[in-house]
Amino acid sequence: TQLLEQSPQFLSIQEGENLTVYCNSSSVFSSLQWYRQEPGEGPVLLVTVVTGGEVKKLKRLTFQFGDARKDSSLHITAAQPGDTGLYLCAGANSGGYQKVTFGIGTKLQVIP
Amino acid sequence: DAMVIQNPRYQVTQFGKPVTLSCSQTLNHNVMYWYQQKSSQAPKLLFHYYDKDFNNEADTPDNFQSRRPNTSFCFLDIRSPGLGDAAMYLCATSMGQGYSGNTIYFGEGSWLTVV
Repeated sequence: TQLLEQSPQFLSIQEGENLTVYCNSSSVFSSLQWYRQEPGEGPVLLVTVVTGGEVKKLKRLTFQFGDARKDSSLHITAAQPGDTGLYLCAGANSGGYQKVTFGIGTKLQVIP
Repeated sequence: DAMVIQNPRYQVTQFGKPVTLSCSQTLNHNVMYWYQQKSSQAPKLLFHYYDKDFNNEADTPDNFQSRRPNTSFCFLDIRSPGLGDAAMYLCATSMGQGYSGNTIYFGEGSWLTVV
């Protein structure tokens, strides 16, 4: 069974601070996705990373896929209250169709 | 525009009374999934369809069933809901092919309350 560990599980910070969320596994993934979920809503896809070492930026969010494709990080610069939510990473274990494994999520609260 | 549409968004049912949740997609994706998500937890896969092929997770209770009459629609049937089945149920889709094949697109979810 492939497992994805996310850390920290809970994070409460002040507006304007920077933060990094980690997603780690002992397994290699062919691709990894990050989602953000607000209370009462479904997860919304933020990014998919495919290549080892890949870095993608989405405004103040920077995503990195580890060189060995076993881990990923999400860095948020100058966090805003609108960034509050549950951040989920999800990994797929080979190209084409395969079941996706979800991490437990990081619950982020940004205090104005 | 929403691409994965779930109905109803909120459902209250009585203990033991069957309930059906529906999902439709405009993406023409091959794969449709049903996940159960409880408060502050990650989504848990119940089952999925690849086209018409049904794939049940080993730990999904028999109380949960699914139907996919065509590419666009998929239903989740809970035959006898218990209090422990109260959760948000998420429908999702993926292409199922190519590098983007695993990227999953979620609906907004259906909240189920059991009274």
